[in-house]
Amino acid sequence: NAGVTQTPKFQVLKTGQSMTLQCAQDMNHEYMSWYRQDPGMGLRLIHYSVGAGITDQGEVPNGYNVSRSTTEDFPLRLLSAAPSQTSVYFCASSYYQGIQETQYFGPGTRLLVL
Amino acid sequence: DQQVKQNSPSLSVQEGRISILNCDYTNSMFDYFLWYKKYPAEGPTFLISISSIKDKNEDGRFTVFLNKSAKHLSLHIVPSQPGDSAVYFCAASRSLGNTGKLIFGQGTTLQVKP
Repeated sequence: NAGVTQTPKFQVLKTGQSMTLQCAQDMNHEYMSWYRQDPGMGLRLIHYSVGAGITDQGEVPNGYNVSRSTTEDFPLRLLSAAPSQTSVYFCASSYYQGIQETQYFGPGTRLLVL
Repeated sequence: DQQVKQNSPSLSVQEGRISILNCDYTNSMFDYFLWYKKYPAEGPTFLISISSIKDKNEDGRFTVFLNKSAKHLSLHIVPSQPGDSAVYFCAASRSLGNTGKLIFGQGTTLQVKP
């Protein structure tokens, strides 16, 4: 199993440009999430999905769109990049067993918006 | 409002000694807590968890303690090893109906000196 994969690893954008951060998992997990990590802020939830076709907003959803057409893929779209979106982005997938849930994270995408 | 707080940005301990990382939360609806470990340029990896029906969970050198009345949890690492040097995040969730939504603290950087 590759686990959770993210592409690209690093990206530089100009303000106003759009791009899609890719995330895929091969563990057949129903649940997937996107987080951003900023210094002193920990990881903050952007969007999450509890299954194909179902998405919802997290703590900081503004400026980001998501869709979940398959179980495996959960892309994150920046429609018009802003310098405030400079961050490290992590995708995660998880399964739910009783009351226990364990999230598995990808290696991250480092994004710089100029 | 930061619902999960790690008030110590960094901690330095000697190899072989105990490391104690602390975490406080404000939302009394949280009933499941996790610790993640993160190395530079990698995604967070799951370390240990505890549900609110317990006050202690142990896994090898790692023990998590939960004090619900104080809304406080701690991670004990005994004995600490240089390979434990990393950023540690605590996270919390409501286990029912919120799968995929973890709220993270800001992280504590642990340095274990040989």
